[in-house]
Amino acid sequence: GDSVTQMEGPVTLSEEAFLTINCTYTATGYPSLFWYVQYPGEGLQLLLKATKADDKGSNKGFEATYRKETTSFHLEKGSVQVSDSAVYFCALRRIQGAQKLVFGQGTRLTINP
Amino acid sequence: DAGVIQSPRHEVTEMGQEVTLRCKPISGHDYLFWYRQTMMRGLELLIYFNNNVPIDDSGMPEDRFSAKMPNASFSTLKIQPSEPRDSAVYFCASMSEYTEAFFGQGTRLTVV
Repeated sequence: GDSVTQMEGPVTLSEEAFLTINCTYTATGYPSLFWYVQYPGEGLQLLLKATKADDKGSNKGFEATYRKETTSFHLEKGSVQVSDSAVYFCALRRIQGAQKLVFGQGTRLTINP
Repeated sequence: DAGVIQSPRHEVTEMGQEVTLRCKPISGHDYLFWYRQTMMRGLELLIYFNNNVPIDDSGMPEDRFSAKMPNASFSTLKIQPSEPRDSAVYFCASMSEYTEAFFGQGTRLTVV
């Protein structure tokens, strides 16, 4: 079945460091890919998305590129801030058929000043 | 639109009691998902509906859990009887074919 695998957390960085959170997926066909972010005490909210191969999603300085050949959608940010501390989830959704939304296990990110 | 609305935000109940969680999806969304989040197991999909019909309930942990969607604007997740291991944050999310999924604020359930 469809699945998403994220890098193990937690991840702790200093402010202004470069961030990469790895995400790979297994799916039938070519799904849409998403990164969601969850701030403390809140629900998940969409951070960025990509709907086809080689698309780059971006938002708030975060970027991720849909790589079909490596079935990956890694999240990157060039210079993180304390306010980026949150849990990040990679997810996929099929384009056709059952519209099940499948999430990775989440990666907790802490940014120290 | 006010977004996905869940109630209650917090629920504390005694073991053996029935618990009902409620969700109002965004108007016009035809998919509704129930997730459970714990530190140990992360985010788990329990069940999802399309046009009020349950499509996949393979994530429902056991018969004590049931979910209904009587109409397009309301869904419930019921646990009867509740157990301490059911303590978690339960999220409802809705989406349409053309939008991403929107999540509610969650219900934090504590079973003592």
